Amino acid sequence: DIQMTQSPSALSASVGDRVTITCRASQSISSWLAWYQQKPGKAPNLLIYKASSLQNGVSLRFSGSGSGTEFTLTIISLHPDDFATYYCQQYSTHPATFGQGTKLEIK
Amino acid sequence: EVQLLESGGDLVLPGGSLRLSCAASAFTFRTYAMAWVRQVPGKGLEWVSSISGDGANTWYADSVKGRFSISRDDSKNTLYLQIDILRIEDTALYYCAKQNSSSMYYFDYWGRGTLVTVSS
Repeated sequence: DIQMTQSPSALSASVGDRVTITCRASQSISSWLAWYQQKPGKAPNLLIYKASSLQNGVSLRFSGSGSGTEFTLTIISLHPDDFATYYCQQYSTHPATFGQGTKLEIK
Repeated sequence: EVQLLESGGDLVLPGGSLRLSCAASAFTFRTYAMAWVRQVPGKGLEWVSSISGDGANTWYADSVKGRFSISRDDSKNTLYLQIDILRIEDTALYYCAKQNSSSMYYFDYWGRGTLVTVSS
């Protein structure tokens, strides 16, 4: 199975900041990567697919980039609602696998 | 608006069985592959099983193969997960999720989950 590793595991930031989360795959996955946001007690919510395509209805403050084995999720101008846990997921090769998550906390 | 509503989670003894259900609405259910993804409380996400839109193909994580069985009833817009020989490590919140396609898939809609607790 392809292993997905996110860094950092936790991140503290302030409202208005720009943050970047990295996701690395154990082998090349081309651009077959999705990002999800999960708030406490809620289901994950798809933000980005195919590494950089924004899901309908997702704020333009979210963006994704990368290909091959290294990917980033960037959030600009952090809003209070953005503090959550973020997961990457590869879908290049079955089975789909997720990163361990990055918890974004308010500083 | 797409809705997925899971049910069937419960507290069960090790070795027991459960059937989870997921009622789908507001999309053409028979067209899409569906999946179950689980999450141990406070931990990460693990894909468990998927079924193709026509129900002809199913896939399972190695950790559940032979014990879990996914199925669908397109006449009822409902997805199922039969879970047998439950283990303590199967304790998790089980999410129903809609896939964007059968192969090379991500999950574009999720239910709220149903909690399965395996304990003696």
